[in-house]
Amino acid sequence: AQKVTQAQTEISVVEKEDVTLDCVYETRDTTYYLFWYKQPPSGELVFLIRRNSFDEQNEISGRYSWNFQKSTSSFNFTITASQVVDSAVYFCALSEADFGNEKLTFGTGTRLTIIP
Amino acid sequence: EPEVTQTPSHQVTQMGQEVILRCVPISNHLYFYWYRQILGQKVEFLVSFYNNEISEKSEIFDDQFSVERPDGSNFTLKIRSTKLEDSAMYFCASRRDSQNTIYFGEGSWLTVV
Repeated sequence: AQKVTQAQTEISVVEKEDVTLDCVYETRDTTYYLFWYKQPPSGELVFLIRRNSFDEQNEISGRYSWNFQKSTSSFNFTITASQVVDSAVYFCALSEADFGNEKLTFGTGTRLTIIP
Repeated sequence: EPEVTQTPSHQVTQMGQEVILRCVPISNHLYFYWYRQILGQKVEFLVSFYNNEISEKSEIFDDQFSVERPDGSNFTLKIRSTKLEDSAMYFCASRRDSQNTIYFGEGSWLTVV
């Protein structure tokens, strides 16, 4: 069975600080996908990134970066120079590569508050 | 940019009533999903749908729930006799094929009173 753990329930940082959100996953599959979604106060789920298990290259997109470490089963998310608009709940998710049925297992989320 | 749309955004219903939540997935997508998020909790998988049939469902998706794709565009979730514990945000999602990301709608907030 697959499982995603986000141990940080809530984080608060002052604007412009960097912040890292942790994600640890468990799966028996060798092929799987990892995701991060953002849920702002309005409630929708906004896709941020999808990463497959064969691609351990770190990725950077503007102020966002992701560190995938297969050896520790972690897929951490860093926001650099945080802004108030980054305040949201962030979910890490995992899907096993069941081709034809890629359902997501979510972590419990980390509520990030950026203090102006 | 194409998006998944859901209606209604918020519905209040009395316990025991039937509710239908509607979704229009992205037009060229083939896989459809419903997820649920009880207030303050994580997002949970309910059901996946492909080729006009359910491909997988979770333990939550009991006989009270059903899904349908009545035409080429809509994808609905019906709850036959709502219970208080069905109060949650329901997210519809879609995906083009097995290599693509799942995109979520903005959610339908259901309150059962």
